[in-house]
Amino acid sequence: GENVEQHPSTLSVQEGDSAVIKCTYSDSASNYFPWYKQELGKRPQLIIDIRSNVGEKKDQRIAVTLNKTAKHFSLHITETQPEDSAVYFCAASQSSGNTGKLIFGQGTTLQVKP
Amino acid sequence: EAQVTQNPRYLITVTGKKLTVTCSQNMNHEYMSWYRQDPGLGLRQIYYSMNVEVTDKGDVPEGYKVSRKEKRNFPLILESPSPNQTSLYFCASSLSTSGKNIQYFGAGTRLSVL
Repeated sequence: GENVEQHPSTLSVQEGDSAVIKCTYSDSASNYFPWYKQELGKRPQLIIDIRSNVGEKKDQRIAVTLNKTAKHFSLHITETQPEDSAVYFCAASQSSGNTGKLIFGQGTTLQVKP
Repeated sequence: EAQVTQNPRYLITVTGKKLTVTCSQNMNHEYMSWYRQDPGLGLRQIYYSMNVEVTDKGDVPEGYKVSRKEKRNFPLILESPSPNQTSLYFCASSLSTSGKNIQYFGAGTRLSVL
């Protein structure tokens, strides 16, 4: 079955710097890759996603890149702010079959120091 | 307001005492899932359901049961809870469309089994 590895497990950056979180997946049939943000004590919420027919997607200060050949994808946050501090989860799934099954990475705790 | 509601939010129980965590969604989503979140392990899927009366095991189903008698409800049942089931539980519903599987999470249930 699908396995998603996420690194690093913790990341500390200075406000204004960039942060990069990387994930690798094992199932080449996976074609949808979302990223979720979980603030302290809150539920995970989708912040950006990418489908396998796209190599990069950007939304303001966040971007996601996908390398299908290498089976890895990354989240990039530029000009980090204290409110970016949270746990970030990557995930992978297959849209074919419509199973609703989503495999999550282990999570990255991002701390942005003011 | 579109939402996923799970109850209770907090629960302390003792080993062997059956309990049910309820989950309800008002978005008419076909897919619903249960996850548990443990430090360093991310979000692991327990069970998921593709529609009424259709359920399947996720990655960590042992010790859990689910049912999907109605589209909006997806309760999680622990017949004989054990301390290793102490965790943070999230219910989620999702709509798989246009190659995307966007999960909407409930607020979480923090369970302690003594």
